[in-house]
Amino acid sequence: DTEVTQTPKHLVMGMTNKKSLKCEQHMGHRAMYWYKQKAKKPPELMFVYSYEKLSINESVPSRFSPECPNSSLLNLHLHALQPEDSALYLCASSQETGNGYGYTFGSGTRLTVV
Amino acid sequence: KQEVTQIPAALSVPEGENLVLNCSFTDSAIYNLQWFRQDPGKGLTSLLLIQSSQREQTSGRLNASLDKSSGRSTLYIAASQPGDSATYLCAVPMTTDSWGKLQFGAGTQVVVTP
Repeated sequence: DTEVTQTPKHLVMGMTNKKSLKCEQHMGHRAMYWYKQKAKKPPELMFVYSYEKLSINESVPSRFSPECPNSSLLNLHLHALQPEDSALYLCASSQETGNGYGYTFGSGTRLTVV
Repeated sequence: KQEVTQIPAALSVPEGENLVLNCSFTDSAIYNLQWFRQDPGKGLTSLLLIQSSQREQTSGRLNASLDKSSGRSTLYIAASQPGDSATYLCAVPMTTDSWGKLQFGAGTQVVVTP
């Protein structure tokens, strides 16, 4: 299995809703990442998990809450989002951080906040 | 601070022509350089990964070169097809960053006309 699987593919939520994005990989990778991508822009890093521990939070608002329940799963919990949070959310994994391994990205979750 | 630039921003070619996409970076302290393809509203698909010690990588009709000393990489796509229409992104992880953050270029949007 050489894939990163993200669910759901599309999500529409109101500003008072709570929802979660899920990401799963079975490649034995120990680093997992959340990126946010706005239209016509490159992806921007949000969070890095290394060996199931949060390593980097790139000054992301607290309405985004990541969780890594085990080495294969990564969640992003969403609460009280704003319309400007509408974007494509990408999950990625690599064998480890900081050693020049390649990255595998998922197909993304298209989030719309209304 | 690493700056990654992709030129041109957009490219339109007739089917059968060769594609040449450029990526430049200002800081040569990189582990590797990875080329990705992104279809509209979709995730990133890895095309080629070139380690910093390598000069080029090939996969089918794709060939990527890397000149770390001059801060340049070129992606060649031979005999283009309409199915090659997509946005192509290059990205580098820095050796000065322990956490694997990818620095992306803004991408080149390619249209191959039948």
